[in-house]
Amino acid sequence: GESVGLHLPTLSVQEGDNSIINCAYSNSASDYFIWYKQESGKGPQFIIDIRSNMDKRQGQRVTVLLNKTVKHLSLQIAATQPGDSAVYFCADDSGGSNYKLTFGKGTLLTVNP
Amino acid sequence: EAGVAQSPRYKIIEKRQSVAFWCNPISGHATLYWYQQILGQGPKLLIQFQNNGVVDDSQLPKDRFSAERLKGVDSTLKIQPAKLEDSAVYLCASSPGQTARQYFGPGTRLTVT
Repeated sequence: GESVGLHLPTLSVQEGDNSIINCAYSNSASDYFIWYKQESGKGPQFIIDIRSNMDKRQGQRVTVLLNKTVKHLSLQIAATQPGDSAVYFCADDSGGSNYKLTFGKGTLLTVNP
Repeated sequence: EAGVAQSPRYKIIEKRQSVAFWCNPISGHATLYWYQQILGQGPKLLIQFQNNGVVDDSQLPKDRFSAERLKGVDSTLKIQPAKLEDSAVYLCASSPGQTARQYFGPGTRLTVT
């Protein structure tokens, strides 16, 4: 089965609010995690990544938090905008030399104006 | 830099017919991936190439799917014969190597009737 899953399949927020998308993983050997955004009809687009030796990483309006104790990953989007509406996937690389990602099912984020 | 290119963008075929998809990765990227994404799910890896060699094809249905990357650049994915359950988006991604971060193309939406 998949090593990465998401707690909530859909999330609806108001424009300007902060969004939090959660992800659980099961493989304790995973050493790299990545978030992708996929808009309708497009391929996944890189948002932010984090290595297992970190617990937080910030980008522009986005923050990824990693809790290795409970094998949990979250993506926080500040001041959510209508353009943030998309499906968000987390994925992990379980280590080894193949650099292979395993994706979860995704969370659909809808931003209401 | 130019992104990952895929063609065609859309394809409709009848079951038992054949179909081929083409991918041109980002220039210089040694690693190329093909994924199948069924509606409402995350991408599932079909095959991974490192230059023109196969790294992982454990999830490729080899009785009907084949892929090649003859010169270590472009790649084709073929389905012969197609089944109804092959209806999905086929994504190509590339990576410069030594990283799991992948860059995705726009995908080819296949409908099998």
